[in-house]
Amino acid sequence: GQQVMQIPQYQHVQEGEDFTTYCNSSTTLSNIQWYKQRPGGHPVFLIQLVKSGEVKKQKRLTFQFGEAKKNSSLHITATQTTDVGTYFCAGPKDSSYKLIFGSGTRLLVRP
Amino acid sequence: DAGVIQSPRHEVTEMGQEVTLRCKPISGHDYLFWYRQTMMRGLELLIYFNNNVPIDDSGMPEDRFSAKMPNASFSTLKIQPSEPRDSAVYFCASSTNSYEQYFGPGTRLTVT
Repeated sequence: GQQVMQIPQYQHVQEGEDFTTYCNSSTTLSNIQWYKQRPGGHPVFLIQLVKSGEVKKQKRLTFQFGEAKKNSSLHITATQTTDVGTYFCAGPKDSSYKLIFGSGTRLLVRP
Repeated sequence: DAGVIQSPRHEVTEMGQEVTLRCKPISGHDYLFWYRQTMMRGLELLIYFNNNVPIDDSGMPEDRFSAKMPNASFSTLKIQPSEPRDSAVYFCASSTNSYEQYFGPGTRLTVT
């Protein structure tokens, strides 16, 4: 079945270092979404990418959708302690409204 | 504008008891999703509704789980009888037809 995989599972960085998480789908996606879940919290929508090769920025966060629309990445420049949490990518199953979530990358930031 | 509301926030029950989780989606959202999150299995979609009609319930673990959406502003997820392996955080989310989903705060269920 359709799968969405994320690496790494964990990343522990020093505050100020950069961070990147990668997402790969077993099938071509119509769009990809990114969510952030703080410890003890709920997933919060960050962004949606739709176009092949699309790059979007939100302050220190840069999101990219691959040319083949099967992979994506989230890059955080100069991490801060407020970036702590788990970052999930998610893609729709067969272009439906059912989302397949990746396993998430847990980011820990040392102050 | 209120977000997705879930109740209770925490539920502790004994094995064999019935558990009912409740969700109020964001007004105007016509899609509603129920998820379960565990360390082992991550975030799993259980069922989703469109305009109060169940569209995909393939993620519902077994017959002990049932979900209803009697109107546009209310949905329930029921587990009967509950088992320890049902212990998890259950999230409700809602959306319009723009794909992005808004999650509620979740219900942490512990079955002893």
